[in-house]
Amino acid sequence: GQNIDQPTEMTATEGAIVQINCTYQTSGFNGLFWYQQHAGEAPTFLSYNVLDGLEEKGRFSSFLSRSKGYSYLLLKELQMKDSASYLCAVRIKGGSYIPTFGRGTSLIVHP
Amino acid sequence: GAVVSQHPSWVICKSGTSVKIECRSLDFQATTMFWYRQFPKQSLMLMATSNEGSKATYEQGVEKDKFLINHASLTLSTLTVTSAHPEDSSFYICSARDPERQPQHFGDGTRLSIL
Repeated sequence: GQNIDQPTEMTATEGAIVQINCTYQTSGFNGLFWYQQHAGEAPTFLSYNVLDGLEEKGRFSSFLSRSKGYSYLLLKELQMKDSASYLCAVRIKGGSYIPTFGRGTSLIVHP
Repeated sequence: GAVVSQHPSWVICKSGTSVKIECRSLDFQATTMFWYRQFPKQSLMLMATSNEGSKATYEQGVEKDKFLINHASLTLSTLTVTSAHPEDSSFYICSARDPERQPQHFGDGTRLSIL
């Protein structure tokens, strides 16, 4: 099976930087996704990492270390609209391409 | 724009009613679609994999007679919650994966409330 762990809730201030961590234990790792989900809405894709290193995309960056089973999502210049749940999802080799989702981290951005 | 359309977005109905939810891929053919359920403040839980032209594959603990899935065409999958009860109230989300692109695309979800 797969075990994905991320903090339940985080708070940060508008304009600041926040790092959301995700650790996983799985066999046959084949990529890690980050999704953003606002309350009552479907998840939207943020990033996909399959190799070690940092992927930067505007204000959001995602990092992966396969040897440590660890990833983080970095959000810079936080805006109020960034208040949402951030889901880490891990995909394994073989079978379908559908990843398994973590419980999500609820981020609250304060003015 | 949206590449996966889900309908309806919100349903309120009496206990014992059956509810059908549709999921359509708009600009690609999806031989496989996926149905998730999400309870408040919980993660997305995969319920079943919908396969065009064949039976759906259900995850452990999901009752196939309760949650009927039909994938009759390459662009449409339906989930029918039969004889729904209050404990079936949840947020149901479908997704489809375009083989030519990453990642999977989600529908907007259906909030189901059973009174």
